Amino acid sequence: EDKVVQSPLSLVVHEGDTVTLNCSYEVTNFRSLLWYKQEKKAPTFLFMLTSSGIEKKSGRLSSILDKKELSSILNITATQTGDSAIYLCAVVNAGGTSYGKLTFGQGTILTVHP
Amino acid sequence: NAGVMQNPRHLVRRRGQEARLRCSPMKGHSHVYWYRQLPEEGLKFMVYLQKENIIDESGMPKERFSAEFPKEGPSILRIQQVVRGDSAAYFCASSLTGGNIQYFGAGTRLSVL
Repeated sequence: EDKVVQSPLSLVVHEGDTVTLNCSYEVTNFRSLLWYKQEKKAPTFLFMLTSSGIEKKSGRLSSILDKKELSSILNITATQTGDSAIYLCAVVNAGGTSYGKLTFGQGTILTVHP
Repeated sequence: NAGVMQNPRHLVRRRGQEARLRCSPMKGHSHVYWYRQLPEEGLKFMVYLQKENIIDESGMPKERFSAEFPKEGPSILRIQQVVRGDSAAYFCASSLTGGNIQYFGAGTRLSVL
């Protein structure tokens, strides 16, 4: 069974700090890894990673995949209170009929204080 | 360009009643997925549908739960004879193709009294 583990489970920082969120996975036939941000409503898409070592960047957020270590990190620089949310990591299995479903980690709750 | 639309946003049912949750995918998307988020837990896959077909229902409880995605109209997740343990947030997502980026709706929060 596919498995995703995120760490830390929660993190409290002050505005301006830089944070690194971790995601490790076990999947029989890896296709891709996705990061989402969940506030009170819908999880919103951040990044999709398929190739190892290629950093994806969007503003203050960036992410990279390490297929050798079966892991990914999400970095947020110069954090703002609006970054407070649950950050979700998920993997897609390329095999069989499972290639559509996302297997999620438990999420990292990030709280940014002013 | 509307995103994934789910309704109702909140649904209250008494034990034994039926719950029907609706999901309209993003325009042009024909792949729909349902996930359940229990309190203090992560999102768990339930079912993956393509127009008129169930592709993967490995995460769906064997009894009382069913899903459909008809040729016309929204996808429906149906829970018969609800129990308190069904109380959760149910999220729908859609994608352009299987294995592609999934975009989520705002969810339906089901409360069973």
